Amino acid sequence: NAGVTQTPKFQVLKTGQSMTLQCAQDMNHNSMYWYRQDPGMGLRLIYYSASEGTTDKGEVPNGYNVSRLNKREFSLRLESAAPSQTSVYFCASSRDLRYTFGSGTRLTVV
Amino acid sequence: GENVEQHPSTLSVQEGDSAVIKCTYSDSASNYFPWYKQELGKGPQLIIDIRSNVGEKKDQRIAVTLNKTAKHFSLHITETQPEDSAVYFCAARGGSYIPTFGRGTSLIVHP
Repeated sequence: NAGVTQTPKFQVLKTGQSMTLQCAQDMNHNSMYWYRQDPGMGLRLIYYSASEGTTDKGEVPNGYNVSRLNKREFSLRLESAAPSQTSVYFCASSRDLRYTFGSGTRLTVV
Repeated sequence: GENVEQHPSTLSVQEGDSAVIKCTYSDSASNYFPWYKQELGKGPQLIIDIRSNVGEKKDQRIAVTLNKTAKHFSLHITETQPEDSAVYFCAARGGSYIPTFGRGTSLIVHP
């Protein structure tokens, strides 16, 4: 099983550009999450989806939108990228609170 | 909401020594405490977890202890090896649905 797959692995954007980070899981998990990881800040929750058809804001949702396309896929969209959104983004899914993380997307906004 | 403090931020040990990472939490209703290991360039991976009805759990060289009265829990790694070098995150799930993560500890094991 692939687990949680994120694409792309690396991306450079110019300020103001938009992009969508893709995430898919093949473990039949109900819950999915998007985190960002910055040096010294740990993992901060952006948005989550407890089940197909629902999404909720996390700790740092400003500047982002999400779509739970189906049970497998949960995408994160940056409508107008800003340098403050330079980070490593992780998607995760969970069963019984046990998370499986993807390998991350390293995003740089210049 | 829940607040999780993790210490130390960096821990350097010699191969074969033990390593201990400590976390404190604020929400007395917290009932689930996982630990994740993140190797360089990878996503975090669950290595051990404990629920509030248990005081200690072991899995080979790693163990987690929980003190509900003091609201702290710790990760213990014995006989450390170079491959244990990584960033370790604790987390606690309180009254909300989502666990709150600590800021991480960078463990360096010197051969």
